[in-house]
Amino acid sequence: AQSVTQLDSQVPVFEEAPVELRCNYSSSVSVYLFWYVQYPNQGLQLLLKYLSGSTLVESINGFEAEFNKSQTSFHLRKPSVHISDTAEYFCAVSDRGSGYSTLTFGKGTMLLVSP
Amino acid sequence: GAVVSQHPSRVICKSGTSVKIECRSLDFQATTMFWYRQFPKQSLMLMATSNEGSKATYEQGVEKDKFLINHASLTLSTLTVTSAHPEDSSFYICSAREEQGGYNEQFFGPGTRLTVL
Repeated sequence: AQSVTQLDSQVPVFEEAPVELRCNYSSSVSVYLFWYVQYPNQGLQLLLKYLSGSTLVESINGFEAEFNKSQTSFHLRKPSVHISDTAEYFCAVSDRGSGYSTLTFGKGTMLLVSP
Repeated sequence: GAVVSQHPSRVICKSGTSVKIECRSLDFQATTMFWYRQFPKQSLMLMATSNEGSKATYEQGVEKDKFLINHASLTLSTLTVTSAHPEDSSFYICSAREEQGGYNEQFFGPGTRLTVL
């Protein structure tokens, strides 16, 4: 079984400032890792994912996350945030082994960007 | 990209009635569909996994007789909340996945807000 810990329930930041949203996971098997974003009253959108290869993955809107196996972390970063980045961000993990794999989500981090 | 729709987006019903929520994959065939529940300011909790043509697999603690799931075709799954009560009020989100071998991404619907009075 896997678990995901997002230590920060809310992260307030000013526009154009850098931000890091933390995610740590626990699993006894190899995993895939994901970040999803949820805007109010909407479903989830995949922001980025780590499946294999380079441990640094990037999204099209400037976010990046780095898989650190030794620290079992997958922190999300953006060097300069916009007001429009205000949303709930969920880290998720899925194990590689089974024929179909379910996602286990963290509790989410609300990113609040103010002018 | 793959699109998943849900209908309705919002529903308000009286206690004791049943509510059906539809989840459709619009441009791909979804071998597997998932149903999640999300309480305010909380994470998504997986309720059940359904494979087309077979019975759904429910997570521990989810009442099978209360949350009826049907996955009759490769593009449609339905969740019926039977005899709904106020504690069933929540945001229900479905996701769909096409099995192609290797890792298969889940695509999420926009969610359905259920309010039981």
